[in-house]
Amino acid sequence: KQEVTQIPAALSVPEGENLVLNCSFTDSAIYNLQWFRQDPGKGLTSLLLIQSSQREQTSGRLNASLDKSSGRSTLYIAASQPGDSATYLCAVSNSGNTPLVFGKGTRLSVIA
Amino acid sequence: EAGVTQFPSHSVIEKGQTVTLRCDPISGHDNLYWYRRVMGKEIKFLLHYVKESKQDESGMPNNRFLAERTGGTYSTLKVQPAELEDSGVYFCASSQTARAGVPYNEQFFGPGTRLTVL
Repeated sequence: KQEVTQIPAALSVPEGENLVLNCSFTDSAIYNLQWFRQDPGKGLTSLLLIQSSQREQTSGRLNASLDKSSGRSTLYIAASQPGDSATYLCAVSNSGNTPLVFGKGTRLSVIA
Repeated sequence: EAGVTQFPSHSVIEKGQTVTLRCDPISGHDNLYWYRRVMGKEIKFLLHYVKESKQDESGMPNNRFLAERTGGTYSTLKVQPAELEDSGVYFCASSQTARAGVPYNEQFFGPGTRLTVL
């Protein structure tokens, strides 16, 4: 049974810092991995999707890496801004069209 | 392109009452998923439709939950009768079918319905 863990549960950093959020999963036979952002009281916004054959994906100040063999992914946020404050969720899919298995998320606060 | 929409955004009901949640997926997305997040826990899968067929309902908690997707378009999730532990945020997501040319199933989520059972 796939399990996803995110560390840390919460993180507070000053504006401008670069930071890394961690995600680990127990079954390395994944199909893809998605990083989401959730603002309080809002839905989930897809940030990056990494296919199992890929090592990383980049979008603006965000970079997500995937190491399937070790069951790990990281989300790197460069030059953090107060607007980055949100909960970041990692989720994996074990095959095409199958449901996502989520971690509990990392709650990020970027202090101005 | 319109995203996934859900209705209502909030619902407060008393224990024993019935509530129906609705999800409209992105047009053309055959896959529709229901998920739920209860307080302090991770988001968990409930149900997966491919068009109008239930592909996987292994996450449905019990028979008080009834889902429908008539015609393979929008879906409803009915809770009857509601219990206190049903409180949480119910998310709907949709995706295209992973196939040649569309090798992955990026799921797009709706804003969720916050259900409170008193």
